[in-house]
Amino acid sequence: EPEVTQTPSHQVTQMGQEVILRCVPISNHLYFYWYRQILGQKVEFLVSFYNNEISEKSEIFDDQFSVERPDGSNFTLKIRSTKLEDSAMYFCASTSGVDEQFFGPGTRLTVL
Amino acid sequence: DQQVKQNSPSLSVQEGRISILNCDYTNSMFDYFLWYKKYPAEGPTFLISISSIKDKNEDGRFTVFLNKSAKHLSLHIVPSQPGDSAVYFCAASAGGNKLVFGAGTILRVKS
Repeated sequence: EPEVTQTPSHQVTQMGQEVILRCVPISNHLYFYWYRQILGQKVEFLVSFYNNEISEKSEIFDDQFSVERPDGSNFTLKIRSTKLEDSAMYFCASTSGVDEQFFGPGTRLTVL
Repeated sequence: DQQVKQNSPSLSVQEGRISILNCDYTNSMFDYFLWYKKYPAEGPTFLISISSIKDKNEDGRFTVFLNKSAKHLSLHIVPSQPGDSAVYFCAASAGGNKLVFGAGTILRVKS
């Protein structure tokens, strides 16, 4: 069964460093998303991506964040200068647009 | 942002009995509702969904009911099994866009 994959499973970084979280969505899907879940809080929407551009972003998704689909398979989330409050689980999701969103296993980001 | 609320943080049910998880929403623009199940250190796994044009959707042991006038939906699991123990998230979307999640309900099914 096709699935969304994410790497790494756990990323530890120093405050102020750049991180890139990687996702491989399901191959025939067209819509891609990043969500995050801070420990003990809700899963929150960050950004949606369709047709090689951002279709919607939340207030959380400020200038420190960017997304890219560098090739036909990967979908990345970059945080340019990490802050302590960026520590969270980051989930990638994808959908064909006519069914539910499928989520990856997540990347745990720890900012020290 | 309290557009989707799950007011019960946890629920404990005996194996074989029915589990009922509840969810309320405030945004009238929501037209698609989903339930996801999540185990620790894993991503949310889709369970069942319902469009706002329906009031019930059933898939095996899982049934979702939607009451639009009350802006309320519920997930029924019957019979409950120990493997159903997980966190259950209610989520909603408007026009097939981003998902807005509730805070989740921890379900414990006791054997």
